[in-house]
Amino acid sequence: NAGVTQTPKFRILKIGQSMTLQCTQDMNHNYMYWYRQDPGMGLKLIYYSVGAGITDKGEVPNGYNVSRSTTEDFPLRLELAAPSQTSVYFCASSYLRGSTDTQYFGPGTRLTVL
Amino acid sequence: AQKITQTQPGMFVQEKEAVTLDCTYDTSDQSYGLFWYKQPSSGEMIFLIYQGSYDEQNATEGRYSLNFQKARKSANLVISASQLGDSAMYFCAMREGPSGGYQKVTFGIGTKLQVIP
Repeated sequence: NAGVTQTPKFRILKIGQSMTLQCTQDMNHNYMYWYRQDPGMGLKLIYYSVGAGITDKGEVPNGYNVSRSTTEDFPLRLELAAPSQTSVYFCASSYLRGSTDTQYFGPGTRLTVL
Repeated sequence: AQKITQTQPGMFVQEKEAVTLDCTYDTSDQSYGLFWYKQPSSGEMIFLIYQGSYDEQNATEGRYSLNFQKARKSANLVISASQLGDSAMYFCAMREGPSGGYQKVTFGIGTKLQVIP
């Protein structure tokens, strides 16, 4: 049972480079999320998706883009990387239905921009 | 105003004792959800428990229970019979917005729990 998988686990980027963080879930969850966690802080929502083809901005979307062409995949694109994007990135999925919700996180991607 | 407030930066508890981690929240939405997560030193985020705003019963998951007091806007996590493996950061979070609609998710800054043998 893979759950939520993220690749890569670690990455170092130079300022101005671009990259895509991959996220896949095999639980047929409708919701997917991207968060970033800065040192000593809680998570902040970057983007989320309520289903294939539907995405929306979270609290800190600037500098990122997402797409959701399938239920399983929710890649996060960083364009023109900046040192402020140095963080740990978590992808999560959940099955939100009525009053119940369960959330599962991927292992995280530690990104450093130099 | 802070959406999620966790006032305890660090907590100690004796092994096998119960501990309560505090969380208060602020929202004007009628439909929202409250979560607790555990983050061990290894860094992964582990979902512990969920409470919906319309749920009348407090949520329980094994040794975890959520003490939901809607009028006071508090959602404290109670861990019973603490174990050494419970040592970790604990985050409270809130999701605002109904199912299928706009979602806003806010995390607290966390409480570091250390279980003493």
